[in-house]
Amino acid sequence: NAGVTQTPKFRVLKTGQSMTLLCAQDMNHEYMYWYRQDPGMGLRLIHYSVGEGTTAKGEVPDGYNVSRLKKQNFLLGLESAAPSQTSVYFCASSTSDPGTDTQYFGPGTRLTVL
Amino acid sequence: DQQVKQNSPSLSVQEGRISILNCDYTNSMFDYFLWYKKYPAEGPTFLISISSIKDKNEDGRFTVFLNKSAKHLSLHIVPSQPGDSAVYFCAALNTGNQFYFGTGTSLTVIP
Repeated sequence: NAGVTQTPKFRVLKTGQSMTLLCAQDMNHEYMYWYRQDPGMGLRLIHYSVGEGTTAKGEVPDGYNVSRLKKQNFLLGLESAAPSQTSVYFCASSTSDPGTDTQYFGPGTRLTVL
Repeated sequence: DQQVKQNSPSLSVQEGRISILNCDYTNSMFDYFLWYKKYPAEGPTFLISISSIKDKNEDGRFTVFLNKSAKHLSLHIVPSQPGDSAVYFCAALNTGNQFYFGTGTSLTVIP
């Protein structure tokens, strides 16, 4: 039982390049989330998904796209990376009742955009 | 606009003493609150939670207090141990199932 895994762990991009971050969970959770963590800003929700085939915008969705084609995977895409997207990205998952359960987080992806 | 705030970026406490971490929120629609602990290079892990219908929840050395009228919650760790040294995030959940996190407080427990 691996929990929540993220690929890759580190990445350096040049401005304008694109990439996809992969999140996978093996806990059969309905809900999945993508956050970014910046110094002094805490964790901010980018996008989330309440089930396979569904996605919704969080606090800071601009510049990102997501897809949830399979229940266990949640992909975060950057179509044209900008230096402002330099951050640590965390994926999380939870059961369908997050009011009584908690989120389980992946180890994070450190992204640098030059 | 930060809806969940942790105004103390860092806190140092002697081993064996009490650690008190504070969190304030602005949205009265939040109905569930959580504390997470984060070590460097790892994702946050769940520590303890409290529903808005309660004012206290205890789990071993960890107790969370909620003061709804003041829109304030706190995490008490007694006794503090060196292994408790980490960054602590408070989070709030709204009725739309979105989590809002504070900026974190770095706790150092001095042996």
